[in-house]
Amino acid sequence: NAGVMQNPRHLVRRRGQEARLRCSPMKGHSHVYWYRQLPEEGLKFMVYLQKENIIDESGMPKERFSAEFPKEGPSILRIQQVVRGDSAAYFCASSEDSGENQPQHFGDGTRLSIL
Amino acid sequence: GNSVTQMEGPVTLSEEAFLTINCTYTATGYPSLFWYVQYPGEGLQLLLKATKADDKGSNKGFEATYRKETTSFHLEKGSVQVSDSAVYFCALKGSYKLIFGSGTRLLVRP
Repeated sequence: NAGVMQNPRHLVRRRGQEARLRCSPMKGHSHVYWYRQLPEEGLKFMVYLQKENIIDESGMPKERFSAEFPKEGPSILRIQQVVRGDSAAYFCASSEDSGENQPQHFGDGTRLSIL
Repeated sequence: GNSVTQMEGPVTLSEEAFLTINCTYTATGYPSLFWYVQYPGEGLQLLLKATKADDKGSNKGFEATYRKETTSFHLEKGSVQVSDSAVYFCALKGSYKLIFGSGTRLLVRP
């Protein structure tokens, strides 16, 4: 499968724990985007990364959330000390470049549930 | 700022009915416009796109035309199938960010 791969598909955490979400972009794509989808809502942009660089993190909460896209390996979205309000579906997308006409290709998401 | 407004759902249709899902946008400049579809438990799949005014995107019987004068990108299909039941998202892309509407759920009954 050459698509965007996210894991795990489902993640359950207790309040105060850490959640780590992984995303491997499509082959040949070096641009990665993370979006969050709350129940019955559209997706909201969180962060845009290129290899080893955060380009725009304006949609990401300033505290507890961080993202990286290392030279080797998948992109990671990390949420520390999770709270109930973090329960959502987190989607990763990738593209070949960041041009306006370039579509973003999405993974199947990680559904995070906080107990 | 940029935004997308979609008609609220759910939209319930019988098989072979005509479908329209309205989408209007507010944007500076001339963004690209997209329709994505989300089936239950899955991610978003690109359905179609249009990159400039009067462009028509089409795929799998779905069509949408980029109307600059009315700032709209309505999704249409002449004859829906049960398998089209899903949530449809309209989105615009001004630079690298996708800005989504809230989604419209479509239910097609046999």
